[in-house]
Amino acid sequence: GENVEQHPSTLSVQEGDSAVIKCTYSDSASNYFPWYKQELGKRPQLIIDIRSNVGEKKDQRIAVTLNKTAKHFSLHITETQPEDSAVYFCAPNRAGTALIFGKGTTLSVSS
Amino acid sequence: EAGVAQSPRYKIIEKRQSVAFWCNPISGHATLYWYQQILGQGPKLLIQFQNNGVVDDSQLPKDRFSAERLKGVDSTLKIQPAKLEDSAVYLCASSLDPGAYGYTFGSGTRLTVV
Repeated sequence: GENVEQHPSTLSVQEGDSAVIKCTYSDSASNYFPWYKQELGKRPQLIIDIRSNVGEKKDQRIAVTLNKTAKHFSLHITETQPEDSAVYFCAPNRAGTALIFGKGTTLSVSS
Repeated sequence: EAGVAQSPRYKIIEKRQSVAFWCNPISGHATLYWYQQILGQGPKLLIQFQNNGVVDDSQLPKDRFSAERLKGVDSTLKIQPAKLEDSAVYLCASSLDPGAYGYTFGSGTRLTVV
């Protein structure tokens, strides 16, 4: 089965700084790479995803980059804001299988 | 589009009691998932349904957990008997089909076993 690791487990930044979270996976057949955001007491929500035929995807302040050779992908958040504070999960998988979530990264943005 | 509905939102039971959770997926979504999220951890897959058939239940503790999805729509997850370590949020999610990328979670049921 898929082994997923996220680093770091916690990340504290000042408002306006950038934040980067890395996810490594073991299944070379994985072809879908999403990032979910979970605020305290709420459900996980998809914020950005990328498929294996694309190396990078951006959506305003967030971006995801993929290195399939090295089997890792990263979430980049620029110009962080207090509302970015949450737990972020990566969940790489292959089509037809359920998402397997990492242990999460707690991001704290202080103003 | 209505979201994934779950009930109840909260449940407190004593150990060794039984409990059931209900999930109604987004209309037309053939694939349904149950996840267990223990405080401070990522969601852990318990079971995946495709219509009313089980695709993956390899991590479901079958000695105490059971799940069904009658008629390929609503689903029920049951725990009997409950243990203290079952305290968690139980999340239901659905997607159009197993090949669909990304899916929608319900609000979850927070279970406390005392």
